[in-house]
Amino acid sequence: GAVVSQHPSRVICKSGTSVKIECRSLDFQATTMFWYRQFPKQSLMLMATSNEGSKATYEQGVEKDKFLINHASLTLSTLTVTSAHPEDSSFYICSASALGGYGYTFGSGTRLTVV
Amino acid sequence: GENVEQHPSTLSVQEGDSAVIKCTYSDSASNYFPWYKQELGKGPQLIIDIRSNVGEKKDQRIAVTLNKTAKHFSLHITETQPEDSAVYFCAAIQGAQKLVFGQGTRLTINP
Repeated sequence: GAVVSQHPSRVICKSGTSVKIECRSLDFQATTMFWYRQFPKQSLMLMATSNEGSKATYEQGVEKDKFLINHASLTLSTLTVTSAHPEDSSFYICSASALGGYGYTFGSGTRLTVV
Repeated sequence: GENVEQHPSTLSVQEGDSAVIKCTYSDSASNYFPWYKQELGKGPQLIIDIRSNVGEKKDQRIAVTLNKTAKHFSLHITETQPEDSAVYFCAAIQGAQKLVFGQGTRLTINP
């Protein structure tokens, strides 16, 4: 089946630094990728949707300058948390879908801790 | 936009018994309803899905039913096992691509 690889699984960074999270579709072309944020014991909150080669569409309330999303190829999307602060600490999850497909395959998630 | 409500938020059942989780959705145009299982510290994994042209789908111990008129769908797990313990999310697709998730159900299987 479809596999989405997300790295790193855990990252600790200092306040003020930037962190990049990668999401790769291993065996299919992901025309669309989604980035979610999940707080403890809560549901997934969609942050942005990105289509390959286009600018990402951000959900209301998500700062596009803080959460930079790049989807330059059909198999790779990255989320960069810029100038991270402790309140950015969370579980970030990517998801990918192929053109015309209903399937949404999720990555394994990245636990970000900002100290 | 689409709104998905999921109940119960927590569910505890004895091993071997059945578990049922219910979701309602608001947008009658939604046509794809997946269920995900999320274990601690991991991303959600698709366990079963159903499209609006089908009323029921079964995969071994897991089944999903859909009532389009009432706009609700349910997950049924039979003969529950300890490894079924996890958080389960329902979702509905809004518009072309966006998945809208329910609030999640923490299922605990008691041995």
